[in-house]
Amino acid sequence: DTAVSQTPKYLVTQMGNDKSIKCEQNLGHDTMYWYKQDSKKFLKIMFSYNNKELIINETVPNRFSPKSPDKAHLNLHINSLELGDSAVYFCASSQRTNSPLHFGNGTRLTVT
Amino acid sequence: KQEVTQIPAALSVPEGENLVLNCSFTDSAIYNLQWFRQDPGKGLTSLLLIQSSQREQTSGRLNASLDKSSGRSTLYIAASQPGDSATYLCATIRGDDKIIFGKGTRLHILP
Repeated sequence: DTAVSQTPKYLVTQMGNDKSIKCEQNLGHDTMYWYKQDSKKFLKIMFSYNNKELIINETVPNRFSPKSPDKAHLNLHINSLELGDSAVYFCASSQRTNSPLHFGNGTRLTVT
Repeated sequence: KQEVTQIPAALSVPEGENLVLNCSFTDSAIYNLQWFRQDPGKGLTSLLLIQSSQREQTSGRLNASLDKSSGRSTLYIAASQPGDSATYLCATIRGDDKIIFGKGTRLHILP
């Protein structure tokens, strides 16, 4: 019944590792997003995909690479993890690019 | 259960006017409150974040206030410009990262 689901919910890993966060939505939405929430809980957009095409790519290190195998999935792969990558990452989807967003529950990434 | 309400749902004002957007929330146990704007093709752009211990934040022509006891926040836009036309959303964020958004106010600045 979950609309936007992210896995894992918690991710603890060491510096230098490569990790992925998965996101799936069953709402039939065309657009999916990744947001990063920093230590002050300030939410900022990272990427946006519309029908598997990248439409927003904010200033994010190249170590972050989104991958959208189909319209219902948008995964986030992070290479060579750094301490500063520790944050909560939220996936979201919307019917169109200006429609209300539906957020996942977030993935708390801790890099040690 | 937190409910976030934004009034009005839509607003049209002539260019140059000052305006206020309202946001109310039912649960005052929030970690912070954030204001966003949503433009077609751009997802959400963060505008201002007010920590629960703060009363207001300012950025350029924008000023956001927070009154936790009454469950209200306002976004004040000074000297409005056509480029300010967008949908403005407020969101409450809890300590466990739960985010609750209002439905937004569609703002149209008339040239």
